[in-house]
Amino acid sequence: EMVLSQSPGTLSLSPGERATLSCRASQSLSSSYLAWYQQKPGQTPRLLIYGASSRATGIPDRFSGSGSGTDFSLTISRLEPEDFAIYYCQQYGRSPKWTFGQGTKVEIK
Amino acid sequence: QVQLVESGGGVVQPGRSLRLSCAASGFTFSSYAMHWVRQAPGKGLEWVTVMAYDGSSKYYADSVKGRFTISRDNSKNTLFLQMNSLRAEDTAVYYCAKYDLSLLAFDIWGQGTLVTVSS
Repeated sequence: EMVLSQSPGTLSLSPGERATLSCRASQSLSSSYLAWYQQKPGQTPRLLIYGASSRATGIPDRFSGSGSGTDFSLTISRLEPEDFAIYYCQQYGRSPKWTFGQGTKVEIK
Repeated sequence: QVQLVESGGGVVQPGRSLRLSCAASGFTFSSYAMHWVRQAPGKGLEWVTVMAYDGSSKYYADSVKGRFTISRDNSKNTLFLQMNSLRAEDTAVYYCAKYDLSLLAFDIWGQGTLVTVSS
């Protein structure tokens, strides 16, 4: 069974800094099936990245995704105040089944 | 605009049943697979179930298999989740989500409805 492990659990950074979030899969997966979501407190999740590296509609270009195989990452080039949130990676796998990582919280330092 | 609105949540005793609804608007509901995803208080996202655009297939997470049933009425642009034999660990916000096959991702989410299983 596919497991997605996100690290770190919490990332403490200041506005303007660069954030790099990791998502590691327990088995190799097609990059087409890897997506990233942002969730702010009390809000619904929002699609940021699909296909590992394609930005969803309306997502600023400071957000970028990369990776392949078992290692994927989400980078926020310069943190804006509205970027402090929880980020989840998600994959589609066999069965079929959809799996989310446990999330990385990006908090203000 | 594109919108998903869930309803039907509430407080229910363990072992009882509850039926959630998700009303879709702003897109061709009958063309998309639809999912339920839940989030326990303070926890991460957990995929629950999916139904194909035409209702021809459906799949469940192991944690709900045999207790939950997904269905849809394309004539009314509505998705349902029948939850039976509810347990305390089913307590969560339940989101319906539209799955876009061209993106292979959940591109539209509802605001969620809270289900609390407690005696």
